[in-house]
Amino acid sequence: SQTIHQWPATLVQPVGSPLSLECTVEGTSNPNLYWYRQAAGRGLQLLFYSVGIGQISSEVPQNLSASRPQDRQFILSSKKLLLSDSGFYLCAWNREEGQPQHFGDGTRLSIL
Amino acid sequence: GQNIDQPTEMTATEGAIVQINCTYQTSGFNGLFWYQQHAGEAPTFLSYNVLDGLEEKGRFSSFLSRSKGYSYLLLKELQMKDSASYLCVPSVEGGYQKVTFGTGTKLQVIP
Repeated sequence: SQTIHQWPATLVQPVGSPLSLECTVEGTSNPNLYWYRQAAGRGLQLLFYSVGIGQISSEVPQNLSASRPQDRQFILSSKKLLLSDSGFYLCAWNREEGQPQHFGDGTRLSIL
Repeated sequence: GQNIDQPTEMTATEGAIVQINCTYQTSGFNGLFWYQQHAGEAPTFLSYNVLDGLEEKGRFSSFLSRSKGYSYLLLKELQMKDSASYLCVPSVEGGYQKVTFGTGTKLQVIP
């Protein structure tokens, strides 16, 4: 069966510090991968998606970036965090467009 | 774009049945997902309807009418752990970015 791992579960970072969140999927190959952010009381905002190694599409201009160095690894990064980057970050995967997305447990990021 | 309409909040009693309605307007419609999201947690996939009709999965059932742009999620024998938000999510053609996860319907189950 397929599983998705996302870490860390919580993170507290100072403004201006860098960020690296990692997501890995097991039990499938060539998944579509997604990064979302959810602010308190809001819906999910799609940040990035990837259909293959090295292929990243950005949905919203951010000071964030994403990379996919391996087939089942998706990384969300920032060089300098802003206060507005606080939120609940979710990684998800599906087999192909139109199929259900399955989410990791999320990372709760607080910027101080 | 997409327009999704579902109640913001609902309250129901433990052991009862509740129906959460969703109407949607979108071009390139493929099917409709329902997700459950407990407070502070990630969404989990519940059901996917492509064809018109009712799909039953244990205590949860989901219905779709493509011609009416209407779906509902039916929860039977409610349990306290069913207190969560339920997201109606249309799937559309033409792009991985075109799935919109809104805030859904927040269901509170009371004793």
